[in-house]
Amino acid sequence: DAGVIQSPRHEVTEMGQEVTLRCKPISGHDYLFWYRQTMMRGLELLIYFNNNVPIDDSGMPEDRFSAKMPNASFSTLKIQPSEPRDSAVYFCASSRTGGSGANVLTFGAGSRLTVL
Amino acid sequence: AQTVTQSQPEMSVQEAETVTLSCTYDTSESDYYLFWYKQPPSRQMILVIRQEAYKQQNATENRFSVNFQKAAKSFSLKISDSQLGDAAMYFCAYRRGGSQGNLIFGKGTKLSVKP
Repeated sequence: DAGVIQSPRHEVTEMGQEVTLRCKPISGHDYLFWYRQTMMRGLELLIYFNNNVPIDDSGMPEDRFSAKMPNASFSTLKIQPSEPRDSAVYFCASSRTGGSGANVLTFGAGSRLTVL
Repeated sequence: AQTVTQSQPEMSVQEAETVTLSCTYDTSESDYYLFWYKQPPSRQMILVIRQEAYKQQNATENRFSVNFQKAAKSFSLKISDSQLGDAAMYFCAYRRGGSQGNLIFGKGTKLSVKP
């Protein structure tokens, strides 16, 4: 398996622009997580899905952030409009219920976002 | 709410020596999992080791082992025969049992390895 795939790896944009981050989880995984990492706040959960349904979005900073999971193999995290304080590394991770490796989150390589 | 605390922001070890990274957590749950993840400069989050709370035996993965003290809610990571490639940020993390919920991270410990 290719692991969790995120795109883009790097994104530089200007304040006010829309940003879309993409994630393809590992096939067969039924949980998908979006985390944000900054120096100040460390690793924060933004939202997670189970079987494509959002379970907890309490970490989503504000209405400018939205996440979708239209099917089991794809999720997006959108920021509109973007602000400089959104600059961070955004990680997607997936895990599965049951079987070998259950409960372990596998992370993508992350998307580094810079908002000027 | 569950919390994870790593009290050592930075640690240093000489190559080939042993180092222990500390982690404590707080939970009222009885079923949970604990993890150590490594994040090298490439920023990829890599699983180092995991421990099921119901298991008394400490987990071991090659040069990496844990000291899991359930009553004390302590979960330290020991790295033996340290190598230059072990230099990274190490995060302790907690997850509720039953594949429920998200992974809660500590703030991390930056490990340097001196040649």
